[in-house]
Amino acid sequence: ILNVEQSPQSLHVQEGDSTNFTCSFPSSNFYALHWYRWETAKSPEALFVMTLNGDEKKKGRISATLNTKEGYSYLYIKGSQPEDSATYLCAHATTHNAGNMLTFGGGTRLMVKP
Amino acid sequence: GAGVSQTPSNKVTEKGKYVELRCDPISGHTALYWYRQSLGQGPEFLIYFQGTGAADDSGLPNDRFFAVRPEGSVSTLKIQRTERGDSAVYLCASSPRGPSYNEQFFGPGTRLTVL
Repeated sequence: ILNVEQSPQSLHVQEGDSTNFTCSFPSSNFYALHWYRWETAKSPEALFVMTLNGDEKKKGRISATLNTKEGYSYLYIKGSQPEDSATYLCAHATTHNAGNMLTFGGGTRLMVKP
Repeated sequence: GAGVSQTPSNKVTEKGKYVELRCDPISGHTALYWYRQSLGQGPEFLIYFQGTGAADDSGLPNDRFFAVRPEGSVSTLKIQRTERGDSAVYLCASSPRGPSYNEQFFGPGTRLTVL
C-alpha cells in the first residue's frame, strides 16, 4: 500500500443496522492514524487518534481498531442512526514529518435511511 | 470555546484573478495547517506553520500559491492567477503544539470556485 485507501466509497444502510469501513495505509514509518467525521457544511470532527498497534477506541456507538503491522484500521458503527450520515475520513501520519502532515483517504460516505 | 473559523465560506472568482482565504485558528494553538479537498478526493496537505514560520510547504502545488502567518495567529492563503483546477474546498486546521499526536481541529472550509 503506497497511499491511504478507504472502502467502500459510499454506503447506504437502514436505521438500526451496524456497519464498518476500512482504512488501509502504508505500514512503514507509522506515527498515528486519525479518524474524522465530516458532515456537509460543517467542520471535520475528530473521532479518534490511534497510535499503538492493537489499539481499540470507543466513543458511544462508534469504535475503531488499529493494526499497524499490516496497515489497516476498521471503524465500526453499532445501530446506525440518521444523524450518523456523514463522510468518514481516515488520515495517516508518518515519522518522516512527526505527524504534522496528514495524508487522507478518499473517505467513506455513509447514508443512514430512517 | 470558539473553534477554527474560515472566511469567506464561499468564493467565486474568474480565471486569472487573485484570491485570499483567511483562517482564524483556536486561540493559543501554535500549529496551523492548510489542506485542499478537490471533488471526489480526500483533503491534501498544502502547508504547515509552527508559530510564524512555514515549517513545511512541500504540499503547495506551484508558485501561484503562498501562505503567511505574520503574527503566529491568523493565516492567509493567497492564490495568484487562479485557474479552473484550483476550484476546491480549502480547509484550515490548528493544533495546540507540534509535533505531537494531537488531533488537528478543522474549520468549515472555504469553497473556491474558479469560473
